[in-house]
Amino acid sequence: DAGVIQSPRHEVTEMGQEVTLRCKPISGHNSLFWYRQTMMRGLELLIYFNNNVPIDDSGMPEDRFSAKMPNASFSTLKIQPSEPRDSAVYFCASSLGLAGGNEQYFGPGTRLTVT
Amino acid sequence: AQSVSQHNHHVILSEAASLELGCNYSYGGTVNLFWYVQYPGQHLQLLLKYFSGDPLVKGIKGFEAEFIKSKFSFNLRKPSVQWSDTAEYFCAVITGGGNKLTFGTGTQLKVEL
Repeated sequence: DAGVIQSPRHEVTEMGQEVTLRCKPISGHNSLFWYRQTMMRGLELLIYFNNNVPIDDSGMPEDRFSAKMPNASFSTLKIQPSEPRDSAVYFCASSLGLAGGNEQYFGPGTRLTVT
Repeated sequence: AQSVSQHNHHVILSEAASLELGCNYSYGGTVNLFWYVQYPGQHLQLLLKYFSGDPLVKGIKGFEAEFIKSKFSFNLRKPSVQWSDTAEYFCAVITGGGNKLTFGTGTQLKVEL
């Protein structure tokens, strides 16, 4: 299996621009998670989906952030407009179900730099 | 809300030294505990996990961790580290049978030859 796939791996954009991050979960996994990693705040869960439905978006920092999962094999995280403080590594993870014991498999991450 | 504390932010060891990384969580109920590792330039990988049963959990690459409920701790250990263990290590917890992973801030381990 190819694992969780994220694109792009690196994104540099100017403040005010729209940014879209993409994730393809492992085939057969029905839960998907978006995380953000920064030096100041560490790894934070932003939102997660189960069977393509958003379950908990309480970690989304503000209305500039939105996430969708139109089908079982694709999810996007959009930031509009982007700000320098959004600079971070964004990870996507997937798991087989939502039970607490199900291992989450992480993608390689997207390193976002907003100038 | 639950939280996870990793008190050692940076650890430097020589090869063959023993390793123990501390992890404490704050939650009084049922927990599932995890250690993830992030090698330089790579994504997070699961080292080991605890759900129930034997509090001493063995993971990949010779790592183990012990769940001590009375101390709310889940420390990671390895008897003899290698240069290839240089990485960042994250402790994480899922509480109350839910599904949200809460991560600690991570410990950067550097193993010197």
